Amino acid sequence: SQQGEEDPQALSIQEGENATMNCSYKTSINNLQWYRQNSGRGLVHLILIRSNEREKHSGRLRVTLDTSKKSSSLLITASRAADTASYFCATDESGGYNKLIFGAGTRLAVHP
Amino acid sequence: DAGITQSPRHKVTETGTPVTLRCHQTENHRYMYWYRQDPGHGLRLIHYSYGVKDTDKGEVSDGYSVSRSKTEDFLLTLESATSSQTSVYFCAVRGQDFSGNTIYFGEGSWLTVV
Repeated sequence: SQQGEEDPQALSIQEGENATMNCSYKTSINNLQWYRQNSGRGLVHLILIRSNEREKHSGRLRVTLDTSKKSSSLLITASRAADTASYFCATDESGGYNKLIFGAGTRLAVHP
Repeated sequence: DAGITQSPRHKVTETGTPVTLRCHQTENHRYMYWYRQDPGHGLRLIHYSYGVKDTDKGEVSDGYSVSRSKTEDFLLTLESATSSQTSVYFCAVRGQDFSGNTIYFGEGSWLTVV
């Protein structure tokens, strides 16, 4: 069963616009991570937010976490065509061996 | 890239044949994982290892076995491949960053069972 569920499944925007992706999960977590995957490639780690954190920034990325609602969002500001990829949230469940549970992902297309 | 190499990168095999995928890492990571990725399902954990000879099942372990006889190698075996095991398989390791929680992925192994 999947822990994280991303929303929307697909997102299409123009360069320069902001892209927001949401993730919901079901159980208690140690942390939540966001990954990016270019077509035909492996996943690349973007950012990790711990369960006691509410917001985190990394360059053009902003991640929020609301543990009361069991949800997270990833905001990419001033998007570029090179941001076109699939984005996945993954939860690290409390008490686990860092076994990340992934959602189905959001496919982001940024048009020049 | 955390020094992860997967082999083979692409394989076509027949139903009923055994298949072994290899994950090799060069940075002495203790924790290693095998995931499969299918459209609409994201990544699902097959098996994981928390040390040499220490392995456990993930959420989709039926039809798969693993072995870890040395730190650097984590093998995934399909004893008798089925068409439902056609997928992309990713090996991952837990990184040695300050949090110890970041998972790094290999480039994937594309398996087609015909």
